[in-house]
Amino acid sequence: DVKVTQSSRYLVKRTGEKVFLECVQDMDHENMFWYRQDPGLGLRLIYFSYDVKMKEKGDIPEGYSVSREKKERFSLILESASTNQTSMYLCASSGITGTTNEKLFFGSGTQLSVL
Amino acid sequence: QKEVEQDPGPLSVPEGAIVSLNCTYSNSAFQYFMWYRQYSRKGPELLMYTYSSGNKEDGRFTAQVDKSSKYISLFIRDSQPSDSATYLCAMRRTGGFKTIFGAGTRLFVKA
Repeated sequence: DVKVTQSSRYLVKRTGEKVFLECVQDMDHENMFWYRQDPGLGLRLIYFSYDVKMKEKGDIPEGYSVSREKKERFSLILESASTNQTSMYLCASSGITGTTNEKLFFGSGTQLSVL
Repeated sequence: QKEVEQDPGPLSVPEGAIVSLNCTYSNSAFQYFMWYRQYSRKGPELLMYTYSSGNKEDGRFTAQVDKSSKYISLFIRDSQPSDSATYLCAMRRTGGFKTIFGAGTRLFVKA
C-alpha cells in the first residue's frame, strides 16, 4: 500500500514564525501535492511538484513556498506564519499522469494552529 | 460558481439505509471521477475511482457518472455506523495534474 507520512499531526506556532511541514512518500511517485482543508471550503491546492526540484503554484500559493530536493520528500514552508494560515494541511502523492498509477493518496494531515 | 458543487449536509440515516451522495460539476473536460472518505482528524482515503461515464461497483458501494448531465453519485447499500464520515467527490481532466474537490458531505449512520 502507498504510504504518505506527514511529520507532525498537530503543530502550534506563533505569528511570524517560519514553519516547515514535511511529507514523505514510499511509492516512488512522481507527483506530490500540498492542500489545505478548511470547513465549508473543502480542499484547496497550494503547490504541487511533478519532479525533483520542479514546482508549480496551485490555487492559493500566497504566503507559502515548497521544496522538493528528493523524489520522496516534499516540504511546505510558511515563511512568516499568520493566523489565517491556521488550517489542516494535507500532503498527497500520485504516479505518472495518464497511467493507472495516477490516483491521489493522502497523508493523515497536520493540524496547524497559528496564535 | 464553483467548478464542483456538493451539498455539505449533514446527512443522517438509520443503519441499513441506502445512502445517496451527489455532486454536480461545470467543466466538461473532467474525465476522471473519484470519491474519497475522510474520518474525523484523518486524511482522505480513496474509495472509488472511475473513468468517463458509467457505473462501478465495489461491495456495498456503487459510483455512477453521468457526463451528459455533469452529475456523479455514490450509493452506499446497507449503511453501517462505521460509514459515518465525510465523503468528498473529486474529479480531474485528462492530462491535468490538478484534482478538484467538492466541499464534502458529512454522513451520520445511526445504530
